[in-house]
Amino acid sequence: AQSVTQLGSHVSVSEGALVLLRCNYSSSVPPYLFWYVQYPNQGLQLLLKYTTGATLVKGINGFEAEFKKSETSFHLTKPSAHMSDAAEYFCAVSGLRNTDKLIFGTGTRLQVFP
Amino acid sequence: DTAVSQTPKYLVTQMGNDKSIKCEQNLGHDTMYWYKQDSKKFLKIMFSYNNKELIINETVPNRFSPKSPDKAHLNLHINSLELGDSAVYFCASSTNYGYTFGSGTRLTVV
Repeated sequence: AQSVTQLGSHVSVSEGALVLLRCNYSSSVPPYLFWYVQYPNQGLQLLLKYTTGATLVKGINGFEAEFKKSETSFHLTKPSAHMSDAAEYFCAVSGLRNTDKLIFGTGTRLQVFP
Repeated sequence: DTAVSQTPKYLVTQMGNDKSIKCEQNLGHDTMYWYKQDSKKFLKIMFSYNNKELIINETVPNRFSPKSPDKAHLNLHINSLELGDSAVYFCASSTNYGYTFGSGTRLTVV
């Protein structure tokens, strides 16, 4: 069975500050890991994903995440927050088959203050 | 060119009605899904189809019936709508390389 835990339902940062959104996963098989962003009243946009290979994954909009198997973590970071980063962020896990479902965490709302 | 498109974008209807949401993908993916996002933003899978065959049915009430006429389409029909069905419904498709989501259908039952 697979599951995802996102620590912190709300995270607030000042513009220009480091963004750190935490995600821990549980999986009995090697996982694929994803971060999605959802802006208000919009759909889900893929930020980045880890499948195999390099454990530090770079995504869009300056975000990156590091897969740490020993810690079962896949935290999302961005060195300098921008006002436009304010959104809901979802970590997700799936198995390796293309028919495997995507299991989401409960989401973290990021607020960015000027 | 929209990859995964859903219609309608918004749907407001009365309790007890029957409604359908349509989804089409032009990515050539074999697997398609329906997800429900509740008022607390929690996303949960409802169904998945692979090449028109149902492979996941996550304890969804029988009032919800997916239909896949071909691998590019996955529609969701809901009978006897209830207030608790109000949510945003997302269609998605996938390959080995990832998942692509539609923009969602906001269903409001009044």
